[in-house]
Amino acid sequence: RKEVEQDPGPFNVPEGATVAFNCTYSNSASQSFFWYRQDCRKEPKLLMSVYSSGNEDGRFTAQLNRASQYISLLIRDSKLSDSATYLCVVNRGRDDKIIFGKGTRLHILP
Amino acid sequence: EAGVAQSPRYKIIEKRQSVAFWCNPISGHATLYWYQQILGQGPKLLIQFQNNGVVDDSQLPKDRFSAERLKGVDSTLKIQPAKLEDSAVYLCASSLALRQFFGPGTRLTVL
Repeated sequence: RKEVEQDPGPFNVPEGATVAFNCTYSNSASQSFFWYRQDCRKEPKLLMSVYSSGNEDGRFTAQLNRASQYISLLIRDSKLSDSATYLCVVNRGRDDKIIFGKGTRLHILP
Repeated sequence: EAGVAQSPRYKIIEKRQSVAFWCNPISGHATLYWYQQILGQGPKLLIQFQNNGVVDDSQLPKDRFSAERLKGVDSTLKIQPAKLEDSAVYLCASSLALRQFFGPGTRLTVL
């Protein structure tokens, strides 16, 4: 099993819809979790950290399920500008090693 | 606040040549990372520095890749000799409390 796994997509979603994707991780000792966004031919940019209690930032909600070892990202009222690749990042634990998933591609359709 | 700076932005070389990339992290960020990102994949960590010490270089192909972080600030990544499969974007990031900030990357093409 890979350390961090994401559905590569693409997810093709009409504008205004709600979309969610998950990211599973294999190391139960993982401590920190993040979602990054990467636009085509650009560098990744931090979208949000994922806290144990779940957190929300505008139209974006991130949640952590430790029992099932996955994190999720929910985007409400999707905009054309949300089209990007969303990368899941997991801090592997006590050695602070950071692992990126391969990303999930999202296309918002007009 | 200035971001992570990288140069060059683009580089085209022939196989077996050498190449070097430079990174200047955000001021005050002790941790610096070099990633390799091949088209269609997520970034793969090559090396992680904490100040000028190496934390993790387990995925660095040490027979051809080397990296250093001068005085715990700037860093260079070198490939010698380059292979076709090294064509990728090389991303530098620095972090504060595990939140990474990326530079624009260097797009390397090996012919």
